[in-house]
Amino acid sequence: AIQMTQSPYSLSASIGDRVIITCRASQGIRNDLAWYQQKPGRAPNLLIYGASRLQSGVPSRFSGSGSGTDFTLTISSLQPEDFATYYCLQDYNYPRTFGRGTKVEIK
Amino acid sequence: DVQLVESGGTLVRPGGSLRLACAASGFTFKTYWMMWVRQAPGKGLEWVANIKGDGSTRYYVDSVEGRFTISRDNAENTLYLQMNSLRAEDAGVYYCARDQNYRYGSAYYDALDSWGRGTLVAVSS
Repeated sequence: AIQMTQSPYSLSASIGDRVIITCRASQGIRNDLAWYQQKPGRAPNLLIYGASRLQSGVPSRFSGSGSGTDFTLTISSLQPEDFATYYCLQDYNYPRTFGRGTKVEIK
Repeated sequence: DVQLVESGGTLVRPGGSLRLACAASGFTFKTYWMMWVRQAPGKGLEWVANIKGDGSTRYYVDSVEGRFTISRDNAENTLYLQMNSLRAEDAGVYYCARDQNYRYGSAYYDALDSWGRGTLVAVSS
């Protein structure tokens, strides 16, 4: 199975900060990666698909980049509603595998 | 609007069985791959199983292979997860999700664009 190594495990940031989360795949996965946001007690919400395509309705402060094995999710200016846990998910092959998550907390 | 509503979660003893259901509405259910994803208490997300729109193809994570069965009733717009020989490590919230296929130029991508609220499975004696 492809391992998705996500970092950092958690981070503290302030409103307006630029936040970068990374995912590294144990083998090349082309652009077959999506990013999800999950708030406590809620289902995950799709942010980015195809590594860099913004899902409809998602604010443009979210962006994704990368290809092959290294991917990043960037929040350009952190807003109060962005404090949540973020996950990457590879859809290159089965079994589908998630990163372990990054919890973004208020500094 | 797309709606996915899970049900069937409850407390079950180790070794027991349970069937989860996910009622879908607001889209043409039979044309979509569907997925179950679970989350143990305080832990991350784990993909469990996928099933093709016509039910002909299924995939499972190794830890549930042979114990869980994903199925669907396209006439009733319902996704199922039959869970047998349950273990403590199977406990958590189970989400169903729609696997959307996106076309971008000549490329196609998959992503889970709609999720249910989840149903809680507890495994304890």
